[in-house]
Amino acid sequence: DARVTQTPRHKVTEMGQEVTMRCQPILGHNTVFWYRQTMMQGLELLAYFRNRAPLDDSGMPKDRFSAEMPDATLATLKIQPSEPRDSAVYFCASGFGQGDTQYFGPGTRLTVL
Amino acid sequence: QQQVKQSPQSLIVQKGGISIINCAYENTAFDYFPWYQQFPGKGPALLIAIRPDVSEKKEGRFTISFNKSAKQFSLHIMDSQPGDSATYFCAASMRSGGYQKVTFGIGTKLQVIP
Repeated sequence: DARVTQTPRHKVTEMGQEVTMRCQPILGHNTVFWYRQTMMQGLELLAYFRNRAPLDDSGMPKDRFSAEMPDATLATLKIQPSEPRDSAVYFCASGFGQGDTQYFGPGTRLTVL
Repeated sequence: QQQVKQSPQSLIVQKGGISIINCAYENTAFDYFPWYQQFPGKGPALLIAIRPDVSEKKEGRFTISFNKSAKQFSLHIMDSQPGDSATYFCAASMRSGGYQKVTFGIGTKLQVIP
């Protein structure tokens, strides 16, 4: 049963700390998306990768957020320094080809105190 | 700027009833309209999708109705069951920067009561 995995599932940290979230896309998928979900804004696209290259990170606050794909089996989203307003659920999704269908992971619930 | 407007934000339906969720969009460049279902603690999962050249698509108890001229589309859940209780997101996507960029609605929390 192929699925996207994300770690950690929950993270509580203090303001100013660095946070790293990890995602393992479905084997064979060549596109990866990072989303942030909040009650007020819903699902917002942060970054998009295809074949490990970042093609769109326009939704990501550049001063504190960064996203990378060190290899085809790992995508990371890093926040440094974290702020309380970053508290949200962060989802990774993967797909193949033009990206019509995205398969979401279970998410990382981040709380910044 | 909310490009895809979804209503209602919450919905309570009796078991066996019809659940209806509505969405509207502005950008005529959207060319693919998926609906996602999300259970608590899980990520959204694709439920059903439609392209604008079709006015209706049905999969089991789930039907999308699409009105291109009005720029509106809706999800109907027939014979709603307690297991359908979840948050539903409509979405619209278009080619942007070489990929299908998806814009999600705010979500509708559906509760089906016995």
